This record gives sequence, C-alpha cells and structure tokens, in this order.
Amino acid sequence: AQKVTQAQTEISVVEKEDVTLDCVYETRDTTYYLFWYKQPPSGELVFLIRRNSFDEQNEISGRYSWNFQKSTSSFNFTITASQVVDSAVYFCALSEWIQGAQKLVFGQGTRLTINP
Amino acid sequence: EAQVTQNPRYLITVTGKKLTVTCSQNMNHEYMSWYRQDPGLGLRQIYYSMNVEVTDKGDVPEGYKVSRKEKRNFPLILESPSPNQTSLYFCASSFQGYSPAYEQYFGPGTRLTVT
Repeated sequence: AQKVTQAQTEISVVEKEDVTLDCVYETRDTTYYLFWYKQPPSGELVFLIRRNSFDEQNEISGRYSWNFQKSTSSFNFTITASQVVDSAVYFCALSEWIQGAQKLVFGQGTRLTINP
Repeated sequence: EAQVTQNPRYLITVTGKKLTVTCSQNMNHEYMSWYRQDPGLGLRQIYYSMNVEVTDKGDVPEGYKVSRKEKRNFPLILESPSPNQTSLYFCASSFQGYSPAYEQYFGPGTRLTVT
C-alpha cells in the first residue's frame, strides 16, 4: 500500500540556517510521482515541485533543492539560507495510478518555523 | 485567473443540520477531489470525480456525499454532520485523473466546526 512518512513533526531554526525536510515513501509500483506542497499560515496549499520515478536528478530552484533517492525511497527537501517567509507546513505526497484513477497520498506534514 | 474556489471559507454548525460546501474550478479540469486535513494525519481523500457524473469513494467517505453534474462544480454534502467531521476541507482539481503525473490545484480551504 502507498504510504508517505514525514518523521519530523516540527522543526524550528534561526533565519539563514539551512534546513532539510525528510520524506520517505512506500510503494510497490514502478511508475509514480512525488510532490511537495507548502501550506503557509494563510492556509492554502501551494504546489512546489513534481518528480517522476524515472528521473533521479536532483533539482534546484533558488534556495530550494530536492534530493530524490530511489534506493532509499526518499525525496528530501532542503531550504538553504532560510527566511522567515519560509515558515509553513510542508507536505510530501505520492501519486500513483490505482484502480483506474490518480491517487494522491500525503505525509503528515512538517511544521517549519524560521525564527528571526 | 486560474483557480479553485470554495464556499464558505468558515462554517460553524450544529449536529445533524445538513450543509453543502461548494467547489468550483475555472481550468476545465476533468478530475476533482475532496480532502480533509486533520492534525497529525495530513490530508486524506474523501471522494473524487474523474469527470461529469463519475464519482468514487476515497479513503474516508463515511458521512459525506458528492455530485458532479457540471464539469466545473463538485459540491461536498454533509447530510447529518457530526462533531468528528470538524476539520479543514480542501477541494482540488487536476487536468485529468488517468495519469498520476498531473499536480492537483487546491482551493483555499473550508474550516468546518460541528458542535
């Protein structure tokens, strides 16, 4: 069965520190997609990145980077030089095609607090 | 502006009083879905719809109903709300549901309290 685990419930760091959010997933499928979403204090869910199971290249977007390692079933998210605006709940999610439909399963979320 | 809208954003109601949360998207997406978010549990899928008149249960469908009479709208109906349905609800849509590749776009959320 699909499962996504974000073991870090809450993380608190001081501004400008680097921080890594962990995500471990379980799946029996060979074709799947991984996502990260951000939920700022205002409550909406913002799509950050999608990665398919056949592309293990790491990705960097400004201060954000993602490390996908199929061998350890992990898709970790690193924020470099964190800023107060990065404070949010971050969700990792796994998407597969199950019983004829897209199925998106979320982790429990990690609440990240960046202190000035 | 491409978006998913939900109404109301906040709702306090009493046990047993039927309510409907509306959801609408303007992106011509085929796939729509409802989730509830509870502390420590992340988001869990309630119902989804592959297209007009095609709906199916998600992981936590008990106590909820949905309908998809038009492509853009996907209302969530609570026929007899109970306190355990107090939660934050999100509607989402994606281009289509036949591939896991498409990201889902989420509405702003509806915070429901049932007393």
